[in-house]
Amino acid sequence: KNQVEQSPQSLIILEGKNCTLQCNYTVSPFSNLRWYKQDTGRGPVSLTIMTFSENTKSNGRYTATLDADTKQSSLHITASQLSDSASYICVVTSDNYGQNFVFGPGTRLSVLP
Amino acid sequence: IAGITQAPTSQILAAGRRMTLRCTQDMRHNAMYWYRQDLGLGLRLIHYSNTAGTTGKGEVPDGYSVSRANTDDFPLTLASAVPSQTSVYFCASSDQPRGGRGALHFGNGTRLTVT
Repeated sequence: KNQVEQSPQSLIILEGKNCTLQCNYTVSPFSNLRWYKQDTGRGPVSLTIMTFSENTKSNGRYTATLDADTKQSSLHITASQLSDSASYICVVTSDNYGQNFVFGPGTRLSVLP
Repeated sequence: IAGITQAPTSQILAAGRRMTLRCTQDMRHNAMYWYRQDLGLGLRLIHYSNTAGTTGKGEVPDGYSVSRANTDDFPLTLASAVPSQTSVYFCASSDQPRGGRGALHFGNGTRLTVT
């Protein structure tokens, strides 16, 4: 079964600290992996997208990594800010499954002052 | 501002009533999607449309219907709402059907409560 799992379910950190969110997937075949940020009451917004051949992709303080062999990805947030408080969703795209986007349940990040 | 507009923002609906959630995009994307988001679960696909005039069923289509008369609009209808349809509904669009590297844009959702 095509699945995307994320850990931790929730995370609380202090402003200025770094953190890493994890994503494991069993989706096959694999086209690309995306990370989205979802603020409370808003729709998800794309942070990064990586294909099979890309190991890392950065977007400002956000850096995503991909290990296609182990089917794992991580999202590292550097020098966190209060505005980073949100849910972070991992999405894997398959060429041949349903309509192709398999969503993880998200990690809820709270950044405290 | 380019993007996806959903309406209403929120709605409380009595069970058994009919409801249409509206979705309009101005990016001229071919593909559009309806998802529901429930606590602890990933977004689940309800219905999709790869291009105007065509629609398809997603993972959880029962109790919902869609139409795609033109490129911009993709309404979702609940013919007879039930409490299990209480959820947040997101409309999305992509310039590439079937995923690929195409951007996937989301609206800000409709929060629906069925009582």
